[in-house]
Amino acid sequence: QKEVEQNSGPLSVPEGAIASLNCTYSDRGSQSFFWYRQYSGKSPELIMSIYSNGDKEDGRFTAQLNKASQYVSLLIRDSQPSDSATYLCAVRGDGQNFVFGPGTRLSVLP
Amino acid sequence: GAVVSQHPSRVICKSGTSVKIECRSLDFQATTMFWYRQFPKKSLMLMATSNEGSKATYEQGVEKDKFLINHASLTLSTLTVTSAHPEDSSFYICSARVGRQGVHEQFFGPGTRLTVL
Repeated sequence: QKEVEQNSGPLSVPEGAIASLNCTYSDRGSQSFFWYRQYSGKSPELIMSIYSNGDKEDGRFTAQLNKASQYVSLLIRDSQPSDSATYLCAVRGDGQNFVFGPGTRLSVLP
Repeated sequence: GAVVSQHPSRVICKSGTSVKIECRSLDFQATTMFWYRQFPKKSLMLMATSNEGSKATYEQGVEKDKFLINHASLTLSTLTVTSAHPEDSSFYICSARVGRQGVHEQFFGPGTRLTVL
C-alpha cells in the first residue's frame, strides 16, 4: 500500500524563525510531490509542487526533494502567525491518484 | 491555480433525508474529480474518484449505494448522501485534477459542512 507519512506535530516555532516540515513516501515510482496548506475549517490550498530532485523556491517557501531517500520537505522562512495551519504532503505516482499524508500542524508563536 | 466551487457550503438536515452536494470546475474541464471526507482534526479521507461519463471508483469501506456520485459533464460532479444519519456529519471536500503540459495538479473546492440532526 502506498503511504505518505508526516509528523503530526504540533510543530511550534517563534515568529521569524524557519519552520521545517518533513514528509516521507513509500512508492519509489512517485513522480510528483505537492504541499498543501489547510487552515482550520477550510479546504486545502496548493502552495508548492516539485517534480525533480533539489530545491524549488517560491517566496518564503522552499520545497526540497530527494527521491533516493524518498523524502520531501517544506521550509518556511520568516514564519508568520498567519502561517499557522496544517500542512499536507501529497504524492502522485505513475497512476492518477494522489496520496495525502496525515498533515503536520504548525503553530507560529508571536 | 484552477478554481473549484462547491455548493452548498453548509447544510443541516434531519436524519433520513438525502443531501446533494455539487462540485464545479469553473475555468477548466475536469475529466476526473475526487470526493473526500474529513472529520474534525483528522486527515483527509478519499471516498471516491469521479470520472466523467463513467461510474465512480469507490475506496474500500465506502458504501456506493449510500454515497451516490454522478459526473455527468466535464465541469460538474455531484455527491448525494442518501438517508443521512448523524454519523455522516462531516466536512466533504471535492477536488479536480488539472493536467497542463504533462503536469497534473489537484485543486480543492471550499468544502461542504454537513450536519445531520
